[in-house]
Amino acid sequence: DARVTQTPRHKVTEMGQEVTMRCQPILGHNTVFWYRQTMMQGLELLAYFRNRAPLDDSGMPKDRFSAEMPDATLATLKIQPSEPRDSAVYFCASGLGYKEQFFGPGTRLTVL
Amino acid sequence: GEDVEQSLFLSVREGDSSVINCTYTDSSSTYLYWYKQEPGAGLQLLTYIFSNMDMKQDQRLTVLLNKKDKHLSLRIADTQTGDSAIYFCAESNTDKLIFGTGTRLQVFP
Repeated sequence: DARVTQTPRHKVTEMGQEVTMRCQPILGHNTVFWYRQTMMQGLELLAYFRNRAPLDDSGMPKDRFSAEMPDATLATLKIQPSEPRDSAVYFCASGLGYKEQFFGPGTRLTVL
Repeated sequence: GEDVEQSLFLSVREGDSSVINCTYTDSSSTYLYWYKQEPGAGLQLLTYIFSNMDMKQDQRLTVLLNKKDKHLSLRIADTQTGDSAIYFCAESNTDKLIFGTGTRLQVFP
């Protein structure tokens, strides 16, 4: 049963600390997305990659957020330094083109 | 820019039909989607419709697309308590999906 996995599932940290979230896309999928979900803003696309190359990161605050795909089995989203307003659920999704995106279970981030 | 709108809440009695509505602005949308999110979980694709279709049926789910009015709806027949969740409409004409705000469906006995 192929699934997108994300670690950690929950993270509580203090303002100013670095946070790294990891995602393992479904094997064979060539497109990986990072989303952020909050009550106020809903689902926001932060960045996405195709064949490991970043295609669009316009939704991401560049001064503190960075997204990478070191290899085809790992995508990372880093926040440095973290702020309380970054508290949200961060989802990774993978797919083949745009026909269907498979979502991971999310990382719930709380920044105190 | 692209925008997708949905009503925030819907409450229905178990066994009744639910209809969740969505409007979008991008007339060049190629695909339109319905995703379901249960508490504490990621989004799960329920169904999608290609923009040159006006209806798609899949078991208890019926999707209707009015391209002229840019209106999409999801009908769930014989709604069950397990259908309680947030339902997101989304549209795309590229790799990117534009999601609506989500409609929280509550099913009561």
